[in-house]
Amino acid sequence: GENVEQHPSTLSVQEGDSAVIKCTYSDSASNYFPWYKQELGKGPQLIIDIRSNVGEKKDQRIAVTLNKTAKHFSLHITETQPEDSAVYFCAASNGGGADGLTFGKGTHLIIQP
Amino acid sequence: KAGVTQTPRYLIKTRGQQVTLSCSPISGHRSVSWYQQTPGQGLQFLFEYFSETQRNKGNFPGRFSGRQFSNSRSEMNVSTLELGDSALYLCASSLWGDAYEQYFGPGTRLTVT
Repeated sequence: GENVEQHPSTLSVQEGDSAVIKCTYSDSASNYFPWYKQELGKGPQLIIDIRSNVGEKKDQRIAVTLNKTAKHFSLHITETQPEDSAVYFCAASNGGGADGLTFGKGTHLIIQP
Repeated sequence: KAGVTQTPRYLIKTRGQQVTLSCSPISGHRSVSWYQQTPGQGLQFLFEYFSETQRNKGNFPGRFSGRQFSNSRSEMNVSTLELGDSALYLCASSLWGDAYEQYFGPGTRLTVT
């Protein structure tokens, strides 16, 4: 089955700086890669996703890049703000099947004022 | 549009008991997936229902079961509870019945004593 590895487990950045979280996956059949943000006491919130026919996708301060050859994808957050502090999860799926999402272990992003 | 709702939000049960958790998906969504979240194992796929049919199941014992009703609401049941079943149980709904664009509820925090 699919295996997703996520790094780093904790990331501390100064407010206003950029943050990058990286994930690798093992199953070449995976074609859907979402990112979720989870705040304390809440469920994961879908913040951006990318499909395998696209190399990059951007939504305001958030962008995701995908390298299918290397089987890795990354989340980029620019101009970080205090409200960006949360745990971020990457995930992978072959989408069309009903195998669910395979998640990385999460990155605790801390924005220092 | 209202999000995914889960009830109850918190549960305390004793080892050996059984428990039923409920999930109401986003209006119009026909697919409901369940995940277990623990500090050690992270987010793990339990099963997915689409149009009242279980389409796939993750690597969990038969004590974990679920069902979906004609209005797309779903329940999951855990029988003969073990201490290791203590976790946050998350429900996610999607429109097209696959892993694409899954939206999570706030979860049910189950504590087994």
